Amino acid sequence: NAGVMQNPRHLVRRRGQEARLRCSPMKGHSHVYWYRQLPEEGLKFMVYLQKENIIDESGMPKERFSAEFPKEGPSILRIQQVVRGDSAAYFCASSRQGNNSPLHFGNGTRLTVT
Amino acid sequence: KQEVTQIPAALSVPEGENLVLNCSFTDSAIYNLQWFRQDPGKGLTSLLLIQSSQREQTSGRLNASLDKSSGRSTLYIAASQPGDSATYLCAPADGTSGSRLTFGEGTQLTVNP
Repeated sequence: NAGVMQNPRHLVRRRGQEARLRCSPMKGHSHVYWYRQLPEEGLKFMVYLQKENIIDESGMPKERFSAEFPKEGPSILRIQQVVRGDSAAYFCASSRQGNNSPLHFGNGTRLTVT
Repeated sequence: KQEVTQIPAALSVPEGENLVLNCSFTDSAIYNLQWFRQDPGKGLTSLLLIQSSQREQTSGRLNASLDKSSGRSTLYIAASQPGDSATYLCAPADGTSGSRLTFGEGTQLTVNP
């Protein structure tokens, strides 16, 4: 059973470029979550998606950040016009159901903005 | 807004000791609470999930308790081993259908052989 797969593991972008982070949930899981871990801080919720729907985006920054989970293919977290403050580890998690199901996390994508 | 505090921030023990990690949270309106471990440079591994209606959950050498009304959870690790060395995170779940986890800063555990 493959776990939650995230790629790339490491991503370097210059200020102003776009970053696209991909997440494939565990087999049989249709609920996807994105979390961010800034240096020296705990993980913070960003967004919760089901197939083709954003359910809760209360943790997403208002500008430059977007997320999708299409009918086919992985979930994508997109950051436009990256700034140094976006440097962080971005973790994706998935669950079988949205309610009271354990979350399974991927190994994260470490984004560095130079 | 949910806030989570974990005590102690760091713990170093000799192999074989039993130990307790503490977690407190400010908003008791939660769906469940999960305990995770995080190894350096890795993602999180789910250890235990306690439903809001439960008091306790056990898996092997791990036992987690939940006192929702007082906003507390503990993780008990029996007969600790060097392989238990990691950061342990507690995360109560709220939001839409319990989908949003709020994480503490974690307890960094080192078990010395």
